[in-house]
Amino acid sequence: NAGVTQTPKFQVLKTGQSMTLQCAQDMNHNSMYWYRQDPGMGLRLIYYSASEGTTDKGEVPNGYNVSRLNKREFSLRLESAAPSQTSVYFCASSHLRANTEAFFGQGTRLTVV
Amino acid sequence: DAKTTQPNSMESNEEEPVHLPCNHSTISGTDYIHWYRQLPSQGPEYVIHGLTSNVNNRMASLAIAEDRKSSTLILHRATLRDAAVYYCILRDSAPSGAGSYQLTFGKGTKLSVIP
Repeated sequence: NAGVTQTPKFQVLKTGQSMTLQCAQDMNHNSMYWYRQDPGMGLRLIYYSASEGTTDKGEVPNGYNVSRLNKREFSLRLESAAPSQTSVYFCASSHLRANTEAFFGQGTRLTVV
Repeated sequence: DAKTTQPNSMESNEEEPVHLPCNHSTISGTDYIHWYRQLPSQGPEYVIHGLTSNVNNRMASLAIAEDRKSSTLILHRATLRDAAVYYCILRDSAPSGAGSYQLTFGKGTKLSVIP
């Protein structure tokens, strides 16, 4: 079972470059989420998609855009990367029902120099 | 959004029980209490969840206070593999608007297990 797959696992960008982080899930989940985690910190929600066709801002959306391409895929785009966006990015997915668990990917380690 | 409060860190000796507390004094009647943990260099993983009654699974037990304003995750025999950050979060089972579907994590409790 693949679960939640994130690509790439590692990336180094120069300031001002753009890139898209990919996330796909094979569990037929409605909801998908993007988080960032800075060293020694908890997870902060960037954007989420409660269901296919909808996206909403989380706690720290500035500097990011998202696309819910279909039910399986939810991408995160950095249009002009900044050193402050150096972080580990996690994608997660879950069913809409609150009594179900969320599944996380293994993360993308992004460094902006 | 209902918030949770957890201690920043805790220590336990190996093979002893661990009780990880979580306060959620503004919890609503429709909020489920979920626990996740994050091992070093990995994504978070689900541990357990409950609504009102205490819950047990192969990983842990969840004790929920009668007024639901606090809960405790119980690891019955801590092992070195249980050293992780543990997060207590709430999920609304009666969402009213898109914002209710957020899955919000705090800073969690960093559990250290001493051999």
